[in-house]
Amino acid sequence: QQQVKQSPQSLIVQKGGISIINCAYENTAFDYFPWYQQFPGKGPALLIAIRPDVSEKKEGRFTISFNKSAKQFSLHIMDSQPGDSATYFCAASMIKAAGNKLTFGGGTRVLVKP
Amino acid sequence: NAGVMQNPRHLVRRRGQEARLRCSPMKGHSHVYWYRQLPEEGLKFMVYLQKENIIDESGMPKERFSAEFPKEGPSILRIQQVVRGDSAAYFCASSPQGFTDTQYFGPGTRLTVL
Repeated sequence: QQQVKQSPQSLIVQKGGISIINCAYENTAFDYFPWYQQFPGKGPALLIAIRPDVSEKKEGRFTISFNKSAKQFSLHIMDSQPGDSATYFCAASMIKAAGNKLTFGGGTRVLVKP
Repeated sequence: NAGVMQNPRHLVRRRGQEARLRCSPMKGHSHVYWYRQLPEEGLKFMVYLQKENIIDESGMPKERFSAEFPKEGPSILRIQQVVRGDSAAYFCASSPQGFTDTQYFGPGTRLTVL
């Protein structure tokens, strides 16, 4: 019940295209859904996050769509750039539970071709 | 304001030796989380600590692993009698308080067990 499933495992997109990454969860107690970006040899960096009381959140070229009834959420990267090439992780947590430990998806390696 | 600091960045140990990983949280942060990332996998929660207290260690292996966050000094993740399967990247994250959303990750310590 604690799992977060992420797809696809890898993604190749042309510069200017849209990258779409999907995640699904089981535990309805999750109430915080962040996305992290990780470059090789670096730690994950928070990209954007959403709470279940909204269905969409946009920050620049990055948009999270959230479907509470389907227990799914997705990341859309608009106008993808070569600098977006990285591994993206979705995650989920229960903020009100002790400690807000993050449960991560398996990651999606995105390659943006120039 | 310096970010989360981890050292060493790379650590090589032979089987049976001890590994000590250090994490200094961001200034003003009193909550520390440790995660482990196996090659080609997502991050897995290990332990959540506040100053001088272990709050949640549900992700820690039962044997050989321990963690502390003393009143003064960095948080330490200790792995005794390392085995090859311990080879991974270990990430520390910090937050200013427990019941909040954003966790800030350090650059990680990459442990290689020969």
